[in-house]
Amino acid sequence: GENVEQHPSTLSVQEGDSAVIKCTYSDSASNYFPWYKQELGKGPQLIIDIRSNVGEKKDQRIAVTLNKTAKHFSLHITETQPEDSAVYFCAARGGGADGLTFGKGTHLIIQP
Amino acid sequence: KAGVTQTPRYLIKTRGQQVTLSCSPISGHRSVSWYQQTPGQGLQFLFEYFSETQRNKGNFPGRFSGRQFSNSRSEMNVSTLELGDSALYLCASSPQGAAYEQYFGPGTRLTVT
Repeated sequence: GENVEQHPSTLSVQEGDSAVIKCTYSDSASNYFPWYKQELGKGPQLIIDIRSNVGEKKDQRIAVTLNKTAKHFSLHITETQPEDSAVYFCAARGGGADGLTFGKGTHLIIQP
Repeated sequence: KAGVTQTPRYLIKTRGQQVTLSCSPISGHRSVSWYQQTPGQGLQFLFEYFSETQRNKGNFPGRFSGRQFSNSRSEMNVSTLELGDSALYLCASSPQGAAYEQYFGPGTRLTVT
């Protein structure tokens, strides 16, 4: 089945700086890659996603890039704000009939 | 539109008992998926239902089961509870299926003592 690795596990950045979280996947047939933000006591919130036929997607301060050859994808957050502090999860949907496979999460801390 | 709702939000059960969790998807969504979230294993896929049929199943024992009703609401059941079943159980709904965007509910926090 699919395996997703996510790095780093914790990321601390100054407010206003950029944050980058990276993930790799194992199944070359994977075709859908969402990113979720989870705040304490809440369920994961879909913030952006990308499909395998697209290399990059942006939504205001958030962007995701996908390199199918290397089997990795990244989340970029620019001009970070205190409300960006949360745990971020990457995920991939494999070529089989499984649901989403998630990375272990990145705890993003925005320092004021 | 109202989001995904899950009931109950918190539950405490004793080892050996069984439990049923409920999920109401976003209006118009026909697919419901269930995930288990624990500190050690992270988020793991349990199963997906679409139009009352189980389409996919994760690597969990048969004690974990689910169903979906004609109004797309879903329930999951865990029988013979074990201490290791303590987790946050998340339901996600999707308009077309797990291959597309999934929207999560707040989860049910299950504690097994």
